[in-house]
Amino acid sequence: AQKITQTQPGMFVQEKEAVTLDCTYDTSDQSYGLFWYKQPSSGEMIFLIYQGSYDEQNATEGRYSLNFQKARKSANLVISASQLGDSAMYFCAMRAGSGYALNFGKGTSLLVTP
Amino acid sequence: NAGVMQNPRHLVRRRGQEARLRCSPMKGHSHVYWYRQLPEEGLKFMVYLQKENIIDESGMPKERFSAEFPKEGPSILRIQQVVRGDSAAYFCASSPWTSRTLYEQYFGPGTRLTVT
Repeated sequence: AQKITQTQPGMFVQEKEAVTLDCTYDTSDQSYGLFWYKQPSSGEMIFLIYQGSYDEQNATEGRYSLNFQKARKSANLVISASQLGDSAMYFCAMRAGSGYALNFGKGTSLLVTP
Repeated sequence: NAGVMQNPRHLVRRRGQEARLRCSPMKGHSHVYWYRQLPEEGLKFMVYLQKENIIDESGMPKERFSAEFPKEGPSILRIQQVVRGDSAAYFCASSPWTSRTLYEQYFGPGTRLTVT
């Protein structure tokens, strides 16, 4: 069985600061992919970043980076230099093995304050 | 290149009515996935379709829910005799193929269904 756990229901960060959103996962598959999505108040799901289980380097996309610690089964999202527009729900998701469905965590609500 | 389109964006139905949600995948995409998001929850997989085929419907409720992706036209998620518990956001995603790339699943804006 696959499971994604996001333990932080809500987070606050000041503008221009960095913030880390936690995600742990559980799977018995050796091949899997980890994703982060952003869901602003308007409701759409915006893809942010992807990490493959065999990727040796941590993924980075602009201000987003994924701190991938395979032995600990964690895939934390780091947002550097937070902006007010980063205020949103953030979901960690996993796709494992030969499956195609994404399994999502419950999300973390991030509020960026001035 | 237009993204995944879903309509309607908001749908209100009374208990017992039928709800039809439509999803047009991105151009060139032949794989469609439906997810449901209950309030304050993450998305839950419902069904995966290719053109004219249901590949995996393991996440679909056994009754009242059905999905199709015809050769021509959008994918349809149909909910018969809706109940209040069906109130949720329904997201469609599409991908060009199922491959080891794993990450090419693009989401539409969602349909918010409210059952009164």
